Amino acid sequence: DTAVSQTPKYLVTQMGNDKSIKCEQNLGHDTMYWYKQDSKKFLKIMFSYNNKELIINETVPNRFSPKSPDKAHLNLHINSLELGDSAVYFCASSRDGTGNYYGYTFGSGTRLTVV
Amino acid sequence: GEDVEQSLFLSVREGDSSVINCTYTDSSSTYLYWYKQEPGAGLQLLTYIFSNMDMKQDQRLTVLLNKKDKHLSLRIADTQTGDSAIYFCAESRGQAGTALIFGKGTTLSVSS
Repeated sequence: DTAVSQTPKYLVTQMGNDKSIKCEQNLGHDTMYWYKQDSKKFLKIMFSYNNKELIINETVPNRFSPKSPDKAHLNLHINSLELGDSAVYFCASSRDGTGNYYGYTFGSGTRLTVV
Repeated sequence: GEDVEQSLFLSVREGDSSVINCTYTDSSSTYLYWYKQEPGAGLQLLTYIFSNMDMKQDQRLTVLLNKKDKHLSLRIADTQTGDSAIYFCAESRGQAGTALIFGKGTTLSVSS
């Protein structure tokens, strides 16, 4: 049973397209996150939702829009894709948003390549 | 600032001990974590330490925390080739809705 699952695992698309990445967790966690890992492996928080409510919205282009239909799902929609959006996007979840004791559980990542 | 600092590379021989160092930023951070990322994979939580602890040992892993200097280290005893990966230090303020702040990762290369 996969705890945090992301789809698709790989996504290759052309500049200007709109794409979505889906994330689901079956851990009963309250808080979900999107992180971006760039080509240098640096991980940066993008968004966080707690019980379907947006908590963190870092300086991310407004072409990126998270959507949380319920607390088990957090999807990421990207409009007008640019070359610089190429990265690995990780979804994560935590029990109560604090990460205490158990840290965060990460999905296996979605490698987005914009050509 | 928000930067959690780590050295970028470490190379050791199989059987040696590895020590990966990290300097974090916020003295109010309550939990500090070590994550491991193997090539093409997600992040796996290795261990964590609460800020009121100095040391935590878990099999081959030893975490040392110097809160005064905001310095965290991860020691891997008897390093194996399977330990080759990127190791990330991360800090959590422990407040609901806050995110983990990650270091840039240390690439550990183990040669046989």
